[in-house]
Amino acid sequence: EDKVVQSPLSLVVHEGDTVTLNCSYEVTNFRSLLWYKQEKKAPTFLFMLTSSGIEKKSGRLSSILDKKELFSILNITATQTGDSAIYLCAVVRDSNYQLIWGAGTKLIIKP
Amino acid sequence: DGGITQSPKYLFRKEGQNVTLSCEQNLNHDAMYWYRQDPGQGLRLIYYSQIVNDFQKGDIAEGYSVSREKKESFPLTVTSAQKNPTAFYLCASSGLEGGRAQHFGDGTRLSIL
Repeated sequence: EDKVVQSPLSLVVHEGDTVTLNCSYEVTNFRSLLWYKQEKKAPTFLFMLTSSGIEKKSGRLSSILDKKELFSILNITATQTGDSAIYLCAVVRDSNYQLIWGAGTKLIIKP
Repeated sequence: DGGITQSPKYLFRKEGQNVTLSCEQNLNHDAMYWYRQDPGQGLRLIYYSQIVNDFQKGDIAEGYSVSREKKESFPLTVTSAQKNPTAFYLCASSGLEGGRAQHFGDGTRLSIL
């Protein structure tokens, strides 16, 4: 059965710390891996990863995919209280248009 | 600006009543999706559609119905057969090429009176 597992489930750090969120997957017919940030409303798109070893970067956030070991990480450096959110990872299957979602990592940044 | 509009933001339903949630997109995306999110849980797929006049059941389609008469619109009806409808409902859309990243509307929060 296809699955996406995120870890940790929750994380509390202080402002300025660097965090690494993990996403491992077992999905047949992998097409891409997506990262989203969800605050109080809808998930907002962060990154799409399709190739191993190519880092995607946006400001203090970066992400990389390892298709051999079947995982991705999301790094946030110099965290701010505005980074507090649930971070969701999802894998797109090539065979249809469904996403397999992880349960998310709840990140809390303390001032 | 292009985006996905869901309405209403909040909806209250009496038991035994059907309600319809609206989802409109102007991104020219072919595929549209409905998800349900319960507190502390991930997203679960209700229905999705890849093309006008065609749609498929997701993991939790029982008690829900959809239609796709126009490319831009994908309304979801929560029927009285859905015994636990209180949840946050999210609509998304994506293209059919590339990585198929999905983009979301702001959601509708449905509660039972």
